[in-house]
Formats: sequence, structure tokens, C-alpha cells
Amino acid sequence: QVQLVQSGAEVKKTGASVKVSCKASGYTFTNYYMHWVRQAPGQGLEWMGWMNPDSGGTNSAQKFQGRVTMTGDTSISTAYMELSRLRSDDTAVYYCARGVSLLRGVTTPKYNWFDPWGQGTLVTVFS
Amino acid sequence: QSVLTQPPSASGTPGQRVTISCSGSSSNIGSNNVNWYQHLPGTAPKLLIYRNNQRPSGVPDRFSGSKSGTSASLAISGLQSEDEADYYCAAWDDRLNGVVFGGGTKLTVL
Repeated sequence: QVQLVQSGAEVKKTGASVKVSCKASGYTFTNYYMHWVRQAPGQGLEWMGWMNPDSGGTNSAQKFQGRVTMTGDTSISTAYMELSRLRSDDTAVYYCARGVSLLRGVTTPKYNWFDPWGQGTLVTVFS
Repeated sequence: QSVLTQPPSASGTPGQRVTISCSGSSSNIGSNNVNWYQHLPGTAPKLLIYRNNQRPSGVPDRFSGSKSGTSASLAISGLQSEDEADYYCAAWDDRLNGVVFGGGTKLTVL
């Protein structure tokens, strides 16, 4: 079955970086966008950006531009999200989610819905 | 402040029908599909409705979605205790060039 398994919880100091991994199985990794979404404590879901595993292309929400790096290793079907210059308000659960659409292959993320999602990775930032 | 607006809470008794609204603008809901996700705390969010009104396999037909203009709705009929969760709408926003979520609606089954 299609599954996304994320790396374990992280505790980081402000100013540091964190890298979360998301291992995909049950489908062809390069055929679907990978999105990243986070949820801060007591808050709603917040979209961070997408990565095209086929081309390596990425795009992120404006508030994360310059701080987030999304990459993929096709040899092990794993996506990564690295967030730098961490602040206390980056404390959140980070999710990866496969972007699905009716169109075959990775064409545009505009028509994506997210299915499935990874189990989430708690990142705690302390000062 | 979320781009898509949802009521923060909704409630109903078992067997009732409840609806959750999601309001946006011409750059998101008005020109793109709406997807809905169910999220139980401590678990991964789950796709509930895609492309405005399509149900993935395994989602009961008690759940239905609709869209009109710049608003969308999620309806849950025959409410069950297991439906108690947070519900989020989401859509692509052409102006922001990315996905926007609603603030989420916490559904309580009384």
C-alpha cells in the first residue's frame, strides 16, 4: 500500500537547522509531487511548499522562502525538508504529503490533493 | 489569519446532519478545486473529499462536498461519535501560487 514514513522527533536550539525525511513506498516516487505541511501547537494546517521528485524543482510559500530547502533522493524514494535559522515559532508537527491529481506524471501541483500523509515529525525549538 | 475562512467549531448529536462552510475568493475557491481533510489529534490528516465533491474509496457516503462560486461546504449526515475531529478545507491560490488552508473546524458530537 502507498505509505509515507517520516523520521523521528527533533529538538533544536534557535538558529539551528533541522532536516526531516519522508520515505515513500508502494508507488513510483518520481511520478508524484511531494508537499510539506506543518501544524504549530493549537494552530491549523499550514502549507510550506512542494518538490517535484522527477526534476528536483521546488517552490515554497513566501513566508518560508530563503529558509526552507526541499530535496529528494530517487535512489531510496525519500524526500527531505530542511528548515534553517529556526525560531521558537517553528515548533510544530511537520508532515509530508503526496500530491495526487488526475493528470499522469508530475505536470503541475495546482490540481493536487494530498493523499496519503506521513505520520508527522515533531520539531521542538528551544532558546 | 487563514486565507480560507471556516467556522472554528461545529456540533451535532448522533444521527444529525451538520455542514461546515469554507469561504474564499476568486483566486482560490472561485477558480480551483476544493479538497477536505479530516484530522484527529496525534494522527496523520486524512483525505475526505477531493475535487469539490469526490469521495476517495473507503470514505463513507455520509460525507459529501459541494462548491458554489467562492464558497464550499462539507456535509456530514448520520453523525457518529467517531466523526469528532478537526476538518480543514484547502485549495490552490493562483495569486499566492500555492495551497491555502482554512483555519479548521472542530466538530464535536454531543
